[in-house]
Amino acid sequence: DTAVSQTPKYLVTQMGNDKSIKCEQNLGHDTMYWYKQDSKKFLKIMFSYNNKELIINETVPNRFSPKSPDKAHLNLHINSLELGDSAVYFCASSQDKGSSYNSPLHFGNGTRLTVT
Amino acid sequence: SQKIEQNSEALNIQEGKTATLTCNYTNYSPAYLQWYRQDPGRGPVFLLLIRENEKEKRKERLKVTFDTTLKQSLFHITASQPADSATYLCAWMDSSYKLIFGSGTRLLVRP
Repeated sequence: DTAVSQTPKYLVTQMGNDKSIKCEQNLGHDTMYWYKQDSKKFLKIMFSYNNKELIINETVPNRFSPKSPDKAHLNLHINSLELGDSAVYFCASSQDKGSSYNSPLHFGNGTRLTVT
Repeated sequence: SQKIEQNSEALNIQEGKTATLTCNYTNYSPAYLQWYRQDPGRGPVFLLLIRENEKEKRKERLKVTFDTTLKQSLFHITASQPADSATYLCAWMDSSYKLIFGSGTRLLVRP
């Protein structure tokens, strides 16, 4: 039983295209995240949703738009893809959101996006 | 700015030895630190969490320390095994409630 699953695992596309990455968690968690891991392996937060509400929106281009149809799903849509968008995108979930809570994150296995 | 730093050089040790990885932070005092393991092609997996009022935390062969004076956390793997080879990430929650990760240290345990 995969706790946090994201699809597709690999995504190769051309510049200018629009693509989506889907994420689902079956842990019953309230909070979901999107992280980007670049070629230097830095994991950087992009977005966070708590019960379908956007709570963290980092400085990312507005070509990136997250959508949470329910608290078990958080999808990432990317418009007008650019070469610099090539990276591994990780979805994650946790029981609680920020503040004084310190629940660990559960990550999916990533989507490797290659823009040519 | 708030920073979290890990040694970017890989740590290469002999099986059976103790691996010690370092996480340093600046310009902030996190209430706790988390440690994760990441294998190639996989997402990070949570290992341990240590709070600022805890000096040390253990889980099987893993031990984490938290020194608020030195602004440093050390992650130890005793009796290391080749299967421990992976990248280890430390993370903290910043003042904006975002979990910030270090760049990770790659550990290679030679048989």
